[in-house]
Amino acid sequence: GQNIDQPTEMTATEGAIVQINCTYQTSGFNGLFWYQQHAGEAPTFLSYNVLDGLEEKGRFSSFLSRSKGYSYLLLKELQMKDSASYLCAATDSNYQLIWGAGTKLIIKP
Amino acid sequence: GAVVSQHPSWVICKSGTSVKIECRSLDFQATTMFWYRQFPKQSLMLMATSNEGSKATYEQGVEKDKFLINHASLTLSTLTVTSAHPEDSSFYICSARDGRGDTEAFFGQGTRLTVV
Repeated sequence: GQNIDQPTEMTATEGAIVQINCTYQTSGFNGLFWYQQHAGEAPTFLSYNVLDGLEEKGRFSSFLSRSKGYSYLLLKELQMKDSASYLCAATDSNYQLIWGAGTKLIIKP
Repeated sequence: GAVVSQHPSWVICKSGTSVKIECRSLDFQATTMFWYRQFPKQSLMLMATSNEGSKATYEQGVEKDKFLINHASLTLSTLTVTSAHPEDSSFYICSARDGRGDTEAFFGQGTRLTVV
């Protein structure tokens, strides 16, 4: 079956760095997305990885290892506004998004 | 980035009535639109995929006669929840892609449905 695993909740301190991991098992693979979702709002796009390696975009970076079925989202210089759920979604051979349950990130002052 | 407009943002309706939710792509042609439902503290659950001009493909367990989806044009898809019940209360979100499967999905702002 198809499955995405990510931690349910993480806590970090303002100004620090946090890494949110995601492992996936899909029928075929056509890339992995990370989305940010604030409570009561729709998800917003953060990153897309289809090749192995690290993609850096400002304070956020995303890493992919296709051989390991593994990705992580790295958030640097955490700000209070980064408190949100972070959703990992892999695309299968039909380009359908398979969603993880999301990781709730709590930022403390 | 591309914009997807979803309307209404929230709606309260009585049991037994029907509610229509609209999803529009404002600056691109959405050949494929997706409808999701999200219960509190849970991930997005795909309900159905609709391609312009054809019938929607529903996920297992989603009643197609209850959740009517129409994708009549490249910029508009609608979801109608028929004979709504309190257990249908949820956050409904649409998303759209411009036809290329490897592109990001652009999301509407979501609709909070409460059935009383």
